[in-house]
Amino acid sequence: QVTLKESGPALVKPTQTLTLTCTFSGFSLNTGGMRVSWIRQPPGKAMEWLARIDWDDDKVYSISLKTRLTISKDTSKNQVVLKMTNMDPADTATYYCARISTGSSGWYDNWGQGTLVTVSS
Amino acid sequence: DIQLTQSPSFLSASVGDRITITCRASQDIRDFLAWYQQKPGKAPNLLIYAASALQSGVPSRFSGSGSGTEFTLTISSLQPEDFAIYFCQQFNGHPFAFGGGTKVEFK
Repeated sequence: QVTLKESGPALVKPTQTLTLTCTFSGFSLNTGGMRVSWIRQPPGKAMEWLARIDWDDDKVYSISLKTRLTISKDTSKNQVVLKMTNMDPADTATYYCARISTGSSGWYDNWGQGTLVTVSS
Repeated sequence: DIQLTQSPSFLSASVGDRITITCRASQDIRDFLAWYQQKPGKAPNLLIYAASALQSGVPSRFSGSGSGTEFTLTISSLQPEDFAIYFCQQFNGHPFAFGGGTKVEFK
């Protein structure tokens, strides 16, 4: 059974760096074809795709947020970490990690429940 | 960037109703579209991928159709557990985009 779970601070101050961890089970990011993304949803708005990391350490970022994002993986811990710098109240959102279905072009077959991050002083 | 527009944003329906949700893409995305169901506090659940393929374990009352720029999700006979939010996602190219969601409420 595949599971993913996001963890991180519920509250961050403006200008701080957010670090979120996605801990997963049921698959390995060492396996060819495995890919994990971060996606967020501001309150009342549509989901926004943020970043992706692949089994071969290839990384793709949202063009609009590229300068603020860093995605990494720790395969020994089955974790994917997202760092977002210079946080702003507009970054208040529920942040999700999700796995791209193996061999697919990009649909997500497993998601975490999400973690709400509020940016406020 | 590709934009996805979902309609309606809200839909009131009764158990047993047939409902249809539309997702329109700002440019041709072939069949690179997925549909998800989300309930409050829960992880999104994949329903349909590649526009019309039913994800394993998803009831057959769910179906998807369309290609190019217009897509639909149909629930043939709404069940109590289907009251939720539904959203579409395109994966034709980065950045992946999502529709704004349709909340299906009990009439």
